[in-house]
Amino acid sequence: GAVVSQHPSRVICKSGTSVKIECRSLDFQATTMFWYRQFPKQSLMLMATSNEGSKATYEQGVEKDKFLINHASLTLSTLTVTSAHPEDSSFYICSASKGPETQYFGPGTRLLVL
Amino acid sequence: GENVEQHPSTLSVQEGDSAVIKCTYSDSASNYFPWYKQELGKRPQLIIDIRSNVGEKKDQRIAVTLNKTAKHFSLHITETQPEDSAVYFCAASSGNNDMRFGAGTRLTVKP
Repeated sequence: GAVVSQHPSRVICKSGTSVKIECRSLDFQATTMFWYRQFPKQSLMLMATSNEGSKATYEQGVEKDKFLINHASLTLSTLTVTSAHPEDSSFYICSASKGPETQYFGPGTRLLVL
Repeated sequence: GENVEQHPSTLSVQEGDSAVIKCTYSDSASNYFPWYKQELGKRPQLIIDIRSNVGEKKDQRIAVTLNKTAKHFSLHITETQPEDSAVYFCAASSGNNDMRFGAGTRLTVKP
């Protein structure tokens, strides 16, 4: 199988606080993990790609100092939204891949910043 | 970089009819084309994929066709059922962790 978990599933926070989201591949080692943001009724927008032990590659327009990504092991990547603001409210989804093709998605984290 | 366009954005069919969703891509280096189904509030699930050395692939009621020359690929769902209602995303990748997604198609199957 290829199971990816994500925690928390839902988080509500006050403006200015930081939020950490974890993504884990449960039954395989992920060479690469991806972080996406999805606004209501819109597509998946890739934010960054991370490989274990190296710095993440951010897509154009994504602030790396605001969205901190740490890929500490082959089964864990974390996304920290620093100093969150209401416009950061969204559905954040991670995915993990065993190789360069198929991606397996986590269940997503719904972030609401008040 | 790769640009994937998907049509239509919404599609409504009667139960039992067929549904077709079309995508085009821009990068001729793309060689892997997956389709994902996403139900409301849930994760995208891979339903079928095709690689550039194949023109067509079928899995029960779902089929995907690929035209490399024209750079387009399509998802075909036959004998649609209400549980097929969801948002479907196409994607394209060259195999270098560069997958890009289409905008999605909201399929509604009316009983």
